[in-house]
Formats: sequence, structure tokens, C-alpha cells
Amino acid sequence: EAGVTQFPSHSVIEKGQTVTLRCDPISGHDNLYWYRRVMGKEIKFLLHFVKESKQDESGMPNNRFLAERTGGTYSTLKVQPAELEDSGVYFCASSQEVRLAGMNTEAFFGQGTRLTVV
Amino acid sequence: LAKTTQPISMDSYEGQEVNITCSHNNIATNDYITWYQQFPSQGPRFIIQGYKTKVTNEVASLFIPADRKSSTLSLPRVSLSDTAVYYCLVGRSGNTPLVFGKGTRLSVIA
Repeated sequence: EAGVTQFPSHSVIEKGQTVTLRCDPISGHDNLYWYRRVMGKEIKFLLHFVKESKQDESGMPNNRFLAERTGGTYSTLKVQPAELEDSGVYFCASSQEVRLAGMNTEAFFGQGTRLTVV
Repeated sequence: LAKTTQPISMDSYEGQEVNITCSHNNIATNDYITWYQQFPSQGPRFIIQGYKTKVTNEVASLFIPADRKSSTLSLPRVSLSDTAVYYCLVGRSGNTPLVFGKGTRLSVIA
């Protein structure tokens, strides 16, 4: 079974340019999450999709970030225009929907996209 | 959300048992304790989850005392490939997003 895949693995862009990151979750996983780790900092939550709907976007830094999940399958995270402080590793994770209280469902992470803004 | 405190780093020789303790004094009644492992250039990977007492799987054991204010991840007979950052997370099980702390950087040396 394929895991969570992210593309590209690494992107280097100039300040002011646009970059789009893609995440393909595990098939059948309704939950899709985006996280980010800026160098030297902790992994921080950005956004949570349940199918195609945004369940929680409280972690999105600002309106330069736009996430979509059309059709409830893969997701894209677009940064426009990119700034130097957007550099970091962007992780995507997916998990099955939890329907029973106390039910454990682990999150499966992709390998991340390293974004460098110069 | 309950705050967690872990050692920043640990070193161990190959073949030893490694115990990483995490403090979570403000854990709530509905919170579970989950550990993730992260290798360089990879995303975090689920290791184990528990609510109370002891949980064991093929990778590790998780010990949780009765007051649940701390937990200990135990890795039996570590090898070089266990070198990674280990994160202790506390929160409601289910769909809620994960909250990562700084983690413990474990270095296994020959």
C-alpha cells in the first residue's frame, strides 16, 4: 500500500514567487493535515481537511497561504507570494476518520517538502 | 492542551535498553499519550499510544503510572538505526491535529 506522498521533495524559489506543494494521502483517508517546521523550531500544525472541507485552519500563518483539497483526494498548498520566513519543511499527514470515542487512529506522514526561499 | 517536557537529547550504546521519560502534569481525563519517531529527512512515524498502565508492541513499550502525569517510552536493545528524534504528544485521540514539542534526540553509538 502506498504511503503519503509529497511533491516536490525540495523547492528553491525566489522571494515573491509562487510555489505549490502537493500531497497525496493514503487512499481512503478522510483526514488530511498540513504541518510545517521552520528551522530550529517545532513542527507546527497548519490546516486540517476532512474530505474536501477545511475542518480547522487556525494554524495558517497568513493569507499568502492557500490550501485546497478538491474532490477530497489530493491536496495542494500554495504560497503566493513567498517570503523568506516561509522557508522550512512542509509535512502532510493523513489518517482514517475516527467514529468511536477513544478509538486510536495514527497519522501517517509524508517525507515532507523542503522549501527554500531566497 | 497539556504541555509536555522531555530530555533534549540522549546517547546510548548499541544493545542497551533506552528509556525516555516525558512529563505531562496537566494531562486531561480524555487525553491519550502518543509517541512518534522521526528520522532525518523523513516525516514523523507513529510508534505507540496508550492511556494507562502498560502498552507493548513490536517496536516499544509505554509505561504510564496511575496518576498519568508522566510516561516512559522504552526501546529494548537499541541499534544504530534507532537514532532519531522521539516526540511525546498528549491529546484527545481521534481526528484532532497533533501538537509537537521539541522531542528527544536519541543518538545510538557503536
